Amino acid sequence: LAKTTQPISMDSYEGQEVNITCSHNNIATNDYITWYQQFPSQGPRFIIQGYKTKVTNEVASLFIPADRKSSTLSLPRVSLSDTAVYYCLVARRNNFNKFYFGSGTKLNVKP
Amino acid sequence: KAGVTQTPRYLIKTRGQQVTLSCSPISGHRSVSWYQQTPGQGLQFLFEYFSETQRNKGNFPGRFSGRQFSNSRSEMNVSTLELGDSALYLCASSLEANTGELFFGEGSRLTVL
Repeated sequence: LAKTTQPISMDSYEGQEVNITCSHNNIATNDYITWYQQFPSQGPRFIIQGYKTKVTNEVASLFIPADRKSSTLSLPRVSLSDTAVYYCLVARRNNFNKFYFGSGTKLNVKP
Repeated sequence: KAGVTQTPRYLIKTRGQQVTLSCSPISGHRSVSWYQQTPGQGLQFLFEYFSETQRNKGNFPGRFSGRQFSNSRSEMNVSTLELGDSALYLCASSLEANTGELFFGEGSRLTVL
C-alpha cells in the first residue's frame, strides 16, 4: 500500500492559487491518485482523480509527474469557503484494497 | 440523485452497550465502505462491502462488524462500547469496488459515556 505524505497545514489569501503536494514514493503501477476535501463535521467530498500527467475539472487541477511519486492539487483563485482539510488518497483499481487516507493538509484561506 | 444517507446522525451510548449504524448508498452504487474519524487518529478504514460480501477489513477489533443487504444498504455494529469508540462514523458508497472515487455521507456522531 502506498503511504502518502502531505504538509500538515498551509495558509493562503483569497484570490490566490494554492498548490498542495502529496508524496507517494511507493505508488504501484495500478494505483490511482484521488483528492478529497473535508469541512468540519462533514464527510469528505471527492475533488479529482488521476493516473498520470494532468487532469482538470471545474474546481481543480491535478498534476502528476512521469515518475508518479508525487502529485499536486492546484486550486485556482481560492476563497474563504475553500478553508478545509484536503486529503490525498492512493487506491488500486479492480483489486482488493484498503483505502488509507493520509493525515491531510489543513488549508486556511485568509481574507 | 439523493446522496449517501446515514442514520442516526447523533447518538449517545454508555460503555458496554452496543450500537447499530445505518447507511443507504447512492442509488445504483454497489460498494459501501465505513470509516472512523477521531481527532487523534484521523480517518481510519473499517471495512468495505460489495454485493453483500465483505471485501476488505481494516485493523479494528472484532467488536466492529458490518453487513450489506441485497439493496446495497449497509449497517455497522459496535458491541461492548468503549470510551475510545467515540467518533464520527462515515459511510461512503461508490459505483464499483476499489476505485477510490467515494461519495461520503455526513456521518453518525457517536458519543460513549
